[in-house]
Amino acid sequence: ELKVEQNPLFLSMQEGKNYTIYCNYSTTSDRLYWYRQDPGKSLESLFVLLSNGAVKQEGRLMASLDTKARLSTLHITAAVHDLSATYFCAVGSGGSNYKLTFGKGTLLTVNP
Amino acid sequence: DAGITQSPRYKITETGRQVTLMCHQTWSHSYMFWYRQDLGHGLRLIYYSAAADITDKGEVPDGYVVSRSKTENFPLTLESATRSQTSVYFCASSGTGVEQYFGPGTRLTVT
Repeated sequence: ELKVEQNPLFLSMQEGKNYTIYCNYSTTSDRLYWYRQDPGKSLESLFVLLSNGAVKQEGRLMASLDTKARLSTLHITAAVHDLSATYFCAVGSGGSNYKLTFGKGTLLTVNP
Repeated sequence: DAGITQSPRYKITETGRQVTLMCHQTWSHSYMFWYRQDLGHGLRLIYYSAAADITDKGEVPDGYVVSRSKTENFPLTLESATRSQTSVYFCASSGTGVEQYFGPGTRLTVT
């Protein structure tokens, strides 16, 4: 059974600081997703990582994937208040990797 | 409007009643999914469908039934609702199975 662990689950940080969210998973997969969810809203796709060593960046967020270590990171650079949200990683499994198993999410609060 | 929609957006029902949550997408995506989101659990896959008339169980299928007679629709039925099925339900669709696009969600309360 695929297990996906995110840490930390709660993150409070100051504007301008850097931090990293970690996503570990238990079985082989080369498909890793990061989503953002604002309170009461749906999920917004941030990144899809499809191969070992994949790195993607959008604004102040950068995601990477190490399939050998079964680890993905979401790095936040110079945080701003607008980044406050819950961030989920999800790992693809099944024959075509389209069955997603989600981590429990990281609630990020960026304080002025 | 094009996209993925869910109805109703909010539903309150009583224990033991049957309730159906609707999901409709206008992209003609082959893949469709139902998830539930509960505090402390993230999202968990209930059922998925790779094409019309093809469905399969996900992580937490007990108590739920799905059908997919048309590509664009993927209804989720709770045959006899229980309080443990109080949750937010998200439908998603995907054309290739890679990128999943999520609907706005249905907040279901079972009293």
